[in-house]
Amino acid sequence: AQSVSQHNHHVILSEAASLELGCNYSYGGTVNLFWYVQYPGQHLQLLLKYFSGDPLVKGIKGFEAEFIKSKFSFNLRKPSVQWSDTAEYFCAVNAGNNRKLIWGLGTSLAVNP
Amino acid sequence: NAGVTQTPKFRILKIGQSMTLQCAQDMNHNYMYWYRQDPGMGLKLIYYSVGAGITDKGEVPNGYNVSRSTTEDFPLRLELAAPSQTSVYFCASSPGTANFEAFFGQGTRLTVV
Repeated sequence: AQSVSQHNHHVILSEAASLELGCNYSYGGTVNLFWYVQYPGQHLQLLLKYFSGDPLVKGIKGFEAEFIKSKFSFNLRKPSVQWSDTAEYFCAVNAGNNRKLIWGLGTSLAVNP
Repeated sequence: NAGVTQTPKFRILKIGQSMTLQCAQDMNHNYMYWYRQDPGMGLKLIYYSVGAGITDKGEVPNGYNVSRSTTEDFPLRLELAAPSQTSVYFCASSPGTANFEAFFGQGTRLTVV
């Protein structure tokens, strides 16, 4: 069965630290990849997405992600986090003929000022 | 554009009561989804629809029902509410047909007492 794995469940960083959140999926064919962010008490919002083309994708608020097909990975990065990045981050994949997204369990990020 | 609109935002139900969570989208999306989110458990798909008149079960459909009489609306019905249905419910929509980017509503926080 298709699955999405987010390795880090809880991450705590200080402001200005660099961030990398891991996301791996299990599907060998064509995939569409997404990162969503959920700020405390809010709904999920799209950070960035990959459909095709350049495997380095830039999103909102300085986030980027790199699609590495050989590693089945789509890791999220930010060079310097801010306190306002405190949120939960979800990776999601749409693969093959699946008519829905497969979601990771999320990573809770806390940024200390 | 309003996007995806969910009502109500908050609700307290007594055990055994019934209610309908409303969801409407104005983006002419074919696909609509209902998720529940519990702390640390990520998003669980309850039901989804690929178009008016077509619905299908997700991972956790027991205790819920849906209908899709129009493209815009996708209500979720809870019959005989139980404490295990205490959760935050999110409705989402996607264009479908090779684009499954999900657009989320603001969520409904439901407590069953």
